[in-house]
Amino acid sequence: GQQVMQIPQYQHVQEGEDFTTYCNSSTTLSNIQWYKQRPGGHPVFLIQLVKSGEVKKQKRLTFQFGEAKKNSSLHITATQTTDVGTYFCARRGLENSGYALNFGKGTSLLVTP
Amino acid sequence: NAGVTQTPKFQVLKTGQSMTLQCAQDMNHEYMSWYRQDPGMGLRLIHYSVGAGITDQGEVPNGYNVSRSTTEDFPLRLLSAAPSQTSVYFCASSYSQTSSGNTIYFGEGSWLTVV
Repeated sequence: GQQVMQIPQYQHVQEGEDFTTYCNSSTTLSNIQWYKQRPGGHPVFLIQLVKSGEVKKQKRLTFQFGEAKKNSSLHITATQTTDVGTYFCARRGLENSGYALNFGKGTSLLVTP
Repeated sequence: NAGVTQTPKFQVLKTGQSMTLQCAQDMNHEYMSWYRQDPGMGLRLIHYSVGAGITDQGEVPNGYNVSRSTTEDFPLRLLSAAPSQTSVYFCASSYSQTSSGNTIYFGEGSWLTVV
C-alpha cells in the first residue's frame, strides 16, 4: 500500500517546550488521520483532515493538512507529561480495502518535567 | 457500552500451537480489522472485513485466518504459531456509511509471545 512517512522517530522535550511531528506522502492523500498511543495502550483517534490547507485545533494540539495534500503535521504547544506517547498519522484506504488504515511508523514523544 | 473487546490480553504459545484471538464489538459496526504492531514498524493490517460473511487480506496475512459469521465478532486464528508472530495484536472497527469522518475504534490489544 501507499506509505506515509513520519519524522522524527523520537523526540525528547522538557515540559513546556513545543513539539511537532511530520507526516509525508509521495502521493496525494484523500485524508489523513492522527492517533495517539500511550505506552502499553491502544491507538486512540485524535482527528481526521480531508481538505487542502485544513487546520484544526484541539486545545494545545494543532493539526495541519498541506495545500498539496501530501503532508500533514501535528504541533503540541507547551507540552505536558500527559502528552507522552507515540503519535501516528494514518491514511485511510478506499471502500475496497475496508477503509483500512495505512499507518506511519509513529513519533515517540518523551516529556520530562 | 463496551466498545471493542479483545481476549485474551496476554498469551504465551509454543511454536506450532494454534490459538484464536477473539474480537467483539457492540456498536453495530460493519467494518472490522486486525492489525499487528511490532517495535519500529507501526501498525500493519493483517485481515479486514467489510461485513458479515466477507473478509479479505491486508498487508501481512500469511499465517493468519479470519472469519466473520456475525456482525459483532471477528476472530483471528493462528493455525501453527511461529516466533515471528510474536507481536501485539489490535482489533479495530468502524461504521461503513462513508470513508471519511467515521472514527475507528481499537480494542485494548492482545500481547502474544511465541516461544
